[in-house]
Amino acid sequence: DAGITQSPRHKVTETGTPVTLRCHQTENHRYMYWYRQDPGHGLRLIHYSYGVKDTDKGEVSDGYSVSRSKTEDFLLTLESATSSQTSVYFCAISEGQGVWYGYTFGSGTRLTVV
Amino acid sequence: AQSVSQHNHHVILSEAASLELGCNYSYGGTVNLFWYVQYPGQHLQLLLKYFSGDPLVKGIKGFEAEFIKSKFSFNLRKPSVQWSDTAEYFCAVNAENYGQNFVFGPGTRLSVLP
Repeated sequence: DAGITQSPRHKVTETGTPVTLRCHQTENHRYMYWYRQDPGHGLRLIHYSYGVKDTDKGEVSDGYSVSRSKTEDFLLTLESATSSQTSVYFCAISEGQGVWYGYTFGSGTRLTVV
Repeated sequence: AQSVSQHNHHVILSEAASLELGCNYSYGGTVNLFWYVQYPGQHLQLLLKYFSGDPLVKGIKGFEAEFIKSKFSFNLRKPSVQWSDTAEYFCAVNAENYGQNFVFGPGTRLSVLP
């Protein structure tokens, strides 16, 4: 597998607390993405990055922020976690500037907000 | 907005049966099409992709998909399934005006009975 790791793998947090998920890649790829996966919805794009400090919103960005201060790290922050943010979060990277290679996905972070 | 639909939520087959999973998309312009598979407890992996040329695309593990532009469809097929094909299958579309981003379908869960 390409070098992409997510941390933590599992997290339980309380409503109203901030949470940060980390995606780390060793491939030096320009594009990184955060998706959430929910039953019946497939994967929905939260935010993506096309370079250091270059990020943009996806389909379901409300309640989330991201940062990319280094090529290898893309952080997703839930500013004040809510139960509706209970989900499995996947990070992905693109192997090139085009979509030709598709994505390489991380193993996911299962987040439960109680 | 683009959308991707997958006809079946859950498909149950016996080993050696033939498989066809439906995928339809709503965008009328040039598209790039993908099928991803997610085995239980794992991350998504690319099965196959279509960009241009022969509309019948062969992927890994004996899977193939056919792009029918007039029907806005990209159905996934396999002549003879195995128990190890038990997984969730996601169709994804990247349209020419959507940059590096994909729209995923809701997924189809395939259960293959031994």
